[in-house]
Amino acid sequence: GAGVSQSPSNKVTEKGKDVELRCDPISGHTALYWYRQSLGQGLEFLIYFQGNSAPDKSGLPSDRFSAERTGGSVSTLTIQRTQQEDSAVYLCASSLARHFDEQFFGPGTRLTVL
Amino acid sequence: EDQVTQSPEALRLQEGESSSLNCSYTVSGLRGLFWYRQDPGKGPEFLFTLYSAGEEKEKERLKATLTKKESFLHITAPKPEDSATYLCAAWPNNDMRFGAGTRLTVKP
Repeated sequence: GAGVSQSPSNKVTEKGKDVELRCDPISGHTALYWYRQSLGQGLEFLIYFQGNSAPDKSGLPSDRFSAERTGGSVSTLTIQRTQQEDSAVYLCASSLARHFDEQFFGPGTRLTVL
Repeated sequence: EDQVTQSPEALRLQEGESSSLNCSYTVSGLRGLFWYRQDPGKGPEFLFTLYSAGEEKEKERLKATLTKKESFLHITAPKPEDSATYLCAAWPNNDMRFGAGTRLTVKP
């Protein structure tokens, strides 16, 4: 069956531009997660959506980051006024359960800010 | 502050040479401890969830155990296809804390 998909797979942008990253979770999965993985570092949790509930945004690194999930399915992570330190792989995951168990990850979007 | 530390950073084994990977955590109110495997250029792949001290889970050549302060991932008679980065993550509340991972290389 189809797994979690993310687009684009690679994104190169100039400092100061806005970017949108998309995540399509596995059909029927109620929970969706965003992470950031910088070179040589562990995954950094960003935000978590459970169904149609409002997400806890406290993990987002700055107010330039925002995320939304429409209709309990597709999610978009938006980074405004990108900075070079935003360069990383952004990973999305989804899960069936109401909590963090057994997440299925997408392949990620590699963001490079020049 | 919630923290997860993995050791060693890198491990090279000969095929068939068993070993263990360590994950130490300082997390208030641990709700679950996860192990994932990550291959280069791909997203992590779920391996195990452990919920309470003393719990053990096995899958093929892998066995995960949990104490109140750390978790171990034991690899028995590894094969070259076990080469990957193994990530451990703690779930304290409404977030996940990942360690930096152990990069395992198994030589034939």
